[in-house]
Amino acid sequence: RKEVEQDPGPFNVPEGATVAFNCTYSNSASQSFFWYRQDCRKEPKLLMSVYSSGNEDGRFTAQLNRASQYISLLIRDSKLSDSATYLCVVRSTDKLIFGTGTRLQVFP
Amino acid sequence: DGGITQSPKYLFRKEGQNVTLSCEQNLNHDAMYWYRQDPGQGLRLIYYSQIVNDFQKGDIAEGYSVSREKKESFPLTVTSAQKNPTAFYLCASSPDPQGGGYTFGSGTRLTVV
Repeated sequence: RKEVEQDPGPFNVPEGATVAFNCTYSNSASQSFFWYRQDCRKEPKLLMSVYSSGNEDGRFTAQLNRASQYISLLIRDSKLSDSATYLCVVRSTDKLIFGTGTRLQVFP
Repeated sequence: DGGITQSPKYLFRKEGQNVTLSCEQNLNHDAMYWYRQDPGQGLRLIYYSQIVNDFQKGDIAEGYSVSREKKESFPLTVTSAQKNPTAFYLCASSPDPQGGGYTFGSGTRLTVV
């Protein structure tokens, strides 16, 4: 079983739609959690950290459920520029473990 | 501006050759990491270093070597022992080995010809 699992997608949504991505992790001792965004043929960039209390950054909301070992990312009012691959990332001890990513394509 | 620089952007290697990928950061970060990404796959950890003159193997270290003689620099050598080296290589750094996210360089695309 992979340490971090994501649905690869693609998720094809129209502009203005709300879309949600989910991620599960296997190590219950994992300490911190992140969502990264990766554009095609580019490096990953930190989108946001994920906290147990949930956190919001503009149109993006991240949630963590430690009991279920589940992380989510919600994007409201999708823009064309949101088209990218979203990586779920978990810290275990001294390194980050990356999921394979969920691809989002927003169309006009 | 602070950042992390990888060079070259594209690299072509003949079979049997060793090549070295450069990674330099001016963020004053203690920890540095090398990942490999293959098409349609996630990032896989090759080597990492939490402090100067010390480094650890990641999940796929075979056929690779690193050094960390300076805080700013963490070069990766892809040796001829690496059987399938064609990939996108990403270097990252972090201010705190125990927490926080990473800052990535823009990557090196290595192709074996």
